[in-house]
Amino acid sequence: GAVVSQHPSWVICKSGTSVKIECRSLDFQATTMFWYRQFPKQSLMLMATSNEGSKATYEQGVEKDKFLINHASLTLSTLTVTSAHPEDSSFYICSASSTQGPIGYTFGSGTRLTVV
Amino acid sequence: GIQVEQSPPDLILQEGANSTLRCNFSDSVNNLQWFHQNPWGQLINLFYIPSGTKQNGRLSATTVATERYSLLYISSSQTTDSGVYFCAGRDMRFGAGTRLTVKP
Repeated sequence: GAVVSQHPSWVICKSGTSVKIECRSLDFQATTMFWYRQFPKQSLMLMATSNEGSKATYEQGVEKDKFLINHASLTLSTLTVTSAHPEDSSFYICSASSTQGPIGYTFGSGTRLTVV
Repeated sequence: GIQVEQSPPDLILQEGANSTLRCNFSDSVNNLQWFHQNPWGQLINLFYIPSGTKQNGRLSATTVATERYSLLYISSSQTTDSGVYFCAGRDMRFGAGTRLTVKP
């Protein structure tokens, strides 16, 4: 079945530094990627939707200059948290879908970011 | 406004029991889907169900699009069914979820 690999699984960084999270579709072409953040015991909050080769569409209230999303190829999307602060600590999850084949959404295993 | 509402927010079951989870959605929600997030955070897509009924093992789902709701049925629940169940439209904006705990 469709597999999405998300790395790293967890990361600890210092305030003010940037962190990049990668999301790769291993066996299909991901025409659309979704990025979420999830706080403990809360739902997934959609941050942005990106289509390959296009700029990401950010949800209202999400700072695009802080959360840089790149979807340069059909198998890779990245989320970079710039100038991270402790309040950016969260669980970040990507999801990928494809216009080829059956409709479905495959999720990465998530990245737990802790900013200290 | 809220596009997807789920109920109940929490559900505790004894192993072997059946349950029904509900998702109400607004006019703008198309192509309803159900997802499960296990206690370790991994999400899987359970059903893509814009209308009608689908079954997959002990799980089944029914969507009545004209009345804007969907139901997820879990029969003979197992401890591995524990986690959070979400519904979302094709825009992938999730509801608040139902947290299910199945006790042995």
